[in-house]
Amino acid sequence: GESVGLHLPTLSVQEGDNSIINCAYSNSASDYFIWYKQESGKGPQFIIDIRSNMDKRQGQRVTVLLNKTVKHLSLQIAATQPGDSAVYFCNAGNMLTFGGGTRLMVKP
Amino acid sequence: KAGVTQTPRYLIKTRGQQVTLSCSPISGHRSVSWYQQTPGQGLQFLFEYFSETQRNKGNFPGRFSGRQFSNSRSEMNVSTLELGDSALYLCASSGVSSSYEQYFGPGTRLTVT
Repeated sequence: GESVGLHLPTLSVQEGDNSIINCAYSNSASDYFIWYKQESGKGPQFIIDIRSNMDKRQGQRVTVLLNKTVKHLSLQIAATQPGDSAVYFCNAGNMLTFGGGTRLMVKP
Repeated sequence: KAGVTQTPRYLIKTRGQQVTLSCSPISGHRSVSWYQQTPGQGLQFLFEYFSETQRNKGNFPGRFSGRQFSNSRSEMNVSTLELGDSALYLCASSGVSSSYEQYFGPGTRLTVT
């Protein structure tokens, strides 16, 4: 069936390093993909999205890469900061389901 | 523009009781979705309402129900509460121009004892 999944439940990085969070999806018909960030005690917050006709999109310190051949999505965070510590979810935009999430922990 | 608001923020109920949670979307948003979040299951979709009509439904038992009012405010109800219903219930709204981008509220933390 359709699913959105995440590879690693927890990612620990040193402050200042780059972070890469990965996600696999199975629905080839998805038109767009979205990354959300959920900080402790808050609801998920939209970070960045990418259309299925793109393979890369950059935001402020974040880059999303889409590889449709292997149905893989990644979120890259440059110069990771303590404020980036959160759970990150990927979502196939035309599905109302989310992966289990990856917890990013930034060590000072 | 005010964000999505949910009330109450915290709630403690006992098994067998029923509960109603409320969500006020961002002004102008007509779509409201509800999710259940637990440590073990992650974010699970409950249902989506658009213009007072349920548009999508997740795989939850009939004890979970919802509705949307003409002002787009939404409520969800859980009857005959079970211990496993303890979770963070999140509401999200989206607008017409970017219906896939959802704006989440802070959630209602429900504890069933």
